[in-house]
Amino acid sequence: NAGVTQTPKFQVLKTGQSMTLQCAQDMNHEYMSWYRQDPGMGLRLIHYSVGAGITDQGEVPNGYNVSRSTTEDFPLRLLSAAPSQTSVYFCASSYGGLWETQYFGPGTRLLVL
Amino acid sequence: KNEVEQSPQNLTAQEGEFITINCSYSVGISALHWLQQHPGGGIVSLFMLSSGKKKHGRLIATINIQEKHSSLHITASHPRDSAVYICAVTLTLYGGSQGNLIFGKGTKLSVKP
Repeated sequence: NAGVTQTPKFQVLKTGQSMTLQCAQDMNHEYMSWYRQDPGMGLRLIHYSVGAGITDQGEVPNGYNVSRSTTEDFPLRLLSAAPSQTSVYFCASSYGGLWETQYFGPGTRLLVL
Repeated sequence: KNEVEQSPQNLTAQEGEFITINCSYSVGISALHWLQQHPGGGIVSLFMLSSGKKKHGRLIATINIQEKHSSLHITASHPRDSAVYICAVTLTLYGGSQGNLIFGKGTKLSVKP
């Protein structure tokens, strides 16, 4: 199993550009989530999904969109990038939800100029 | 106000020492997670517990629900244990929501040979 994979590993954007961060898992996990990690702060939940076709907002959803068309994939879209979205983004998955072991992807480092 | 507090923020130890990292929280939880973030950035789940104690190799995690406190112990520490250790809590489910995962800011551990 590849586990949780994320692409790209690193990306530089200009303010106003859009992009999609990819996340995929091959463990047949129902629950998937996106976090951002900023210096001096704990990880914060952006969006999560409890299964294909079902998504919900987390703590810091503004500026981000998600969709879940398959169990395996959970892409995160930045509609119009802003410097405040410079961060490291982690995707995670688990079989049933937040009361189970979370499996994290390797992260995507995003720099918005 | 931080709902999850970790102490210490930074910890330097000599190889072989017994290490304790503490996590206190102020909200109702259904689970507590201990995570390890390697210097390269990857995040690995060490423990997920809702009561009592768990042990895996040289790592021991305990939780006291009444006191809203958890500890992570490392016995016979080794330089390869150098990492950031993160405590996260799954908030008690409410209103049908899947809940939220709230992270502490992490404890940076450095073990010297």
